[in-house]
Amino acid sequence: QVQLQESGPGLVKPSETLSLTCTVSGGSINNYHWSWIRQPPGKGLEWIGYIYYNGSTSYNPSLKSRVTISVDTSRNQFSLSLNSVTAADTAVYYCARDRPDYGDYVGFDIWGQGTMVSVSS
Amino acid sequence: EIVLTQSPGTLSLSPGERATLSCRASQSVSGIYLAWYQQKPGQAPRLLIYGASSRATGIPDRFSGSWSGTDFTLTINRLEPEDFAVYYCQQYGTSPFTFGPGTKVDI
Repeated sequence: QVQLQESGPGLVKPSETLSLTCTVSGGSINNYHWSWIRQPPGKGLEWIGYIYYNGSTSYNPSLKSRVTISVDTSRNQFSLSLNSVTAADTAVYYCARDRPDYGDYVGFDIWGQGTMVSVSS
Repeated sequence: EIVLTQSPGTLSLSPGERATLSCRASQSVSGIYLAWYQQKPGQAPRLLIYGASSRATGIPDRFSGSWSGTDFTLTINRLEPEDFAVYYCQQYGTSPFTFGPGTKVDI
């Protein structure tokens, strides 16, 4: 079955760029949208944005000026880049499978386990 | 953006009881694209309900969803010990997709 795995540094310095990758295994990245979501410690969930396998994107306006999501279909991966980070960006970052090209749109049906990213000097 | 408000913030119940969780949207949810997720400590959220009332694959039938207008309800019949968790509603019909603040169901 399809599985997602986030990877990237667990510690980022303030003002630098947070970079994470989500690897899709057990299935193709094609024909789906793929989302990033984050959750600060002890708080709720915030949608960051999504990418379609053809590269089209949609971002949360609250983060749009700092976020870039990209896709590498040859590696079955998509990535998140968040620049100018502050302590407020400390969170668990999740990747998730989003809208399919075919079939019912059910929301985020498959999630990665999440990766904790701390912003600190 | 569509704001989702969940109530109550915490629901204290016992195994075997029924849990009723509410989620109110600030405006109409496009396509009734409203989902419910369960999250346990240290785990990723798990999709329970989509389209406001359809159970996701493998979800027991004690979980059910309903709606009226912009008011959505998740009902858990006969709570099992593994159901004690935080539950989030989410609208995924209009960007930016938004989540409610969550309801904690505890013993």
